[in-house]
Amino acid sequence: EAQVTQNPRYLITVTGKKLTVTCSQNMNHEYMSWYRQDPGLGLRQIYYSMNVEVTDKGDVPEGYKVSRKEKRNFPLILESPSPNQTSLYFCASSPPGTSGRLEQYFGPGTRLTVT
Amino acid sequence: AQSVTQLGSHVSVSEGALVLLRCNYSSSVPPYLFWYVQYPNQGLQLLLKYTSAATLVKGINGFEAEFKKSETSFHLTKPSAHMSDAAEYFCAVSDYGVQGGKLIFGQGTELSVKP
Repeated sequence: EAQVTQNPRYLITVTGKKLTVTCSQNMNHEYMSWYRQDPGLGLRQIYYSMNVEVTDKGDVPEGYKVSRKEKRNFPLILESPSPNQTSLYFCASSPPGTSGRLEQYFGPGTRLTVT
Repeated sequence: AQSVTQLGSHVSVSEGALVLLRCNYSSSVPPYLFWYVQYPNQGLQLLLKYTSAATLVKGINGFEAEFKKSETSFHLTKPSAHMSDAAEYFCAVSDYGVQGGKLIFGQGTELSVKP
């Protein structure tokens, strides 16, 4: 089944404890992206990647890092999480040749709580 | 810069009634527009998309949307609501440049369906 997977689905952590949220897609998509969803704000892009070793900042990149060492994986790293990063996070990927300009396919989400 | 405004954060309809969710966009280029649905504890699922072909776009689950350039609108409709339509709906516009694209989301509209 073609899909985007994320792990973990739920995470509660404490301020300052480094964490990684994994994202993987099995559709051979070049473009991948991370969004965060907050009530009343919709989804906002954190980082995106056009291909392996090519990443760039989105609209709200502060406090986050990403890496793209393999086409299928795009982990989101919070090196020192803070309570304002409590949110619902979505990974997405986009079909080849579209560079994120057309529809994106979303993972199931990771609900992160930072205390 | 592209932007999206969804009118009404909550919409409530009776089962069998017309569903109308409003979306207005702002775009400096011909837009690509999307409607996504998010069921509780799930990721976003693409309902339909407009990519400059037919202005009336049909999607899954009986939903459709009409692109009206003169009104800069892309409202989502369904003739007869079903209980299973209860979810949050997001309108999005594609924002793209030299470095790749992203989706700009509206704030979301939560649809409730009363029996």
